[in-house]
Amino acid sequence: QSALTQPASVSGSPGQSITISCTGTGSDVGGYNYVSWYQHHPGKTPKLIIYDVSDRPSGVSNRFSGSKSGNTASLTISGLQAEDEADYYCSSFTTSRPYVFGTGTKVTVL
Amino acid sequence: EVQLVQSGAEVKKSGESLKISCKGSGYSFSTYWIGWVRQMPGKGLEWMAIIYPGGSETFYNPSFRGQVTISADKSISTAYLQWSGLKASDTAMYYCAIALDGNYYWDYWGQGTPVTVSP
Repeated sequence: QSALTQPASVSGSPGQSITISCTGTGSDVGGYNYVSWYQHHPGKTPKLIIYDVSDRPSGVSNRFSGSKSGNTASLTISGLQAEDEADYYCSSFTTSRPYVFGTGTKVTVL
Repeated sequence: EVQLVQSGAEVKKSGESLKISCKGSGYSFSTYWIGWVRQMPGKGLEWMAIIYPGGSETFYNPSFRGQVTISADKSISTAYLQWSGLKASDTAMYYCAIALDGNYYWDYWGQGTPVTVSP
């Protein structure tokens, strides 16, 4: 059960949009619409920001959006803000269970 | 209010056993899956195992099967993760999280339990 592949780092200036990819296989990302995304500030608890590929939990900014094409899911952060600087992880339900995380992406706001 | 409260920091020696806990409140304990996640120092998140207290179903990430045991006690709304012989490589932060049965995302998380294992 290999981790999903994410870019190690992505950066952008305040106000810009960035996109983080999450690539898996047909046994996870491509096989189910059960991709979720978590924001993790170091020293804090991970926070769910996207579920079921593109749905946002109540209270999460609409600057966060998700999508999927084939075996790759994506998280887009629009109108980048300083508070968005954090680590981001995708996660998918898998055929083999239980779940698998992505390798994680460090977002830096320049 | 949903809360997951994890047991406190642990400092152990290699070879010792350990059981950490995650107590849920504010929700129906038996209708949510509970999962354990490891984060080694400077590394990413890893799913370890999940359990459904309502039916005691368990699933382990193959990398952790045989290394840890997940369990739950419905009577006290508490889930556990235990080791019978710790290794220095088990040094990490461990988080518990919950997902409503039928959902495939983890919407509530515990505060984390740091475990340090000396060689």
